[in-house]
Amino acid sequence: AQKITQTQPGMFVQEKEAVTLDCTYDTSDPSYGLFWYKQPSSGEMIFLIYQGSYDQQNATEGRYSLNFQKARKSANLVISASQLGDSAMYFCAMRDDNAGNMLTFGGGTRLMVKP
Amino acid sequence: DAGVTQSPTHLIKTRGQQVTLRCSPKSGHDTVSWYQQALGQGPQFIFQYYEEEERQRGNFPDRFSGHQFPNYSSELNVNALLLGDSALYLCASSSRTGVGNTIYFGEGSWLTVV
Repeated sequence: AQKITQTQPGMFVQEKEAVTLDCTYDTSDPSYGLFWYKQPSSGEMIFLIYQGSYDQQNATEGRYSLNFQKARKSANLVISASQLGDSAMYFCAMRDDNAGNMLTFGGGTRLMVKP
Repeated sequence: DAGVTQSPTHLIKTRGQQVTLRCSPKSGHDTVSWYQQALGQGPQFIFQYYEEEERQRGNFPDRFSGHQFPNYSSELNVNALLLGDSALYLCASSSRTGVGNTIYFGEGSWLTVV
């Protein structure tokens, strides 16, 4: 069974600084995908970044990058130059490529950006 | 290009009643999944539809049922509502055959059972 662990329930970061949100996963399948989503208080789950298990390079999307360490089964999200609007819940999720597009989510990390 | 749309955004129901939530996937997507997110938790997978059939199901009772229409839109039905069904219900849209691996979510439907 797949499992996603986010060990940081809440984090503070100073505006304009970088922050790393941790995510570890467990799966026995060789083909999988890792996702990060941002969820503001409105509830919408906003897609941020994706990393495939066979991707050779770490994914990047603007200020977001994914630090993928396959041997350690970790997929940490790095947000550079934090902005006040980055304050939200962040969820790491995994898709088993052999099980359709079902996602397994972690418990989330609440990020608070201080001015 | 419209993203994933869900309706209604908020609703209040009484225990024992039935509710129907609706979802239209992103243009070009053919697969719809439903998730339940209780307060303070990550979303939990309910089920997934494509080609108008339920393809995968999470650990939810039969009170939760769904449907997918020929235009790929989908409904989630919950019968005999319990207080514990109060949650944010999220619809996710994806493509089984298209290019790309992204899965997009709608804004969700907030259900309160009283």
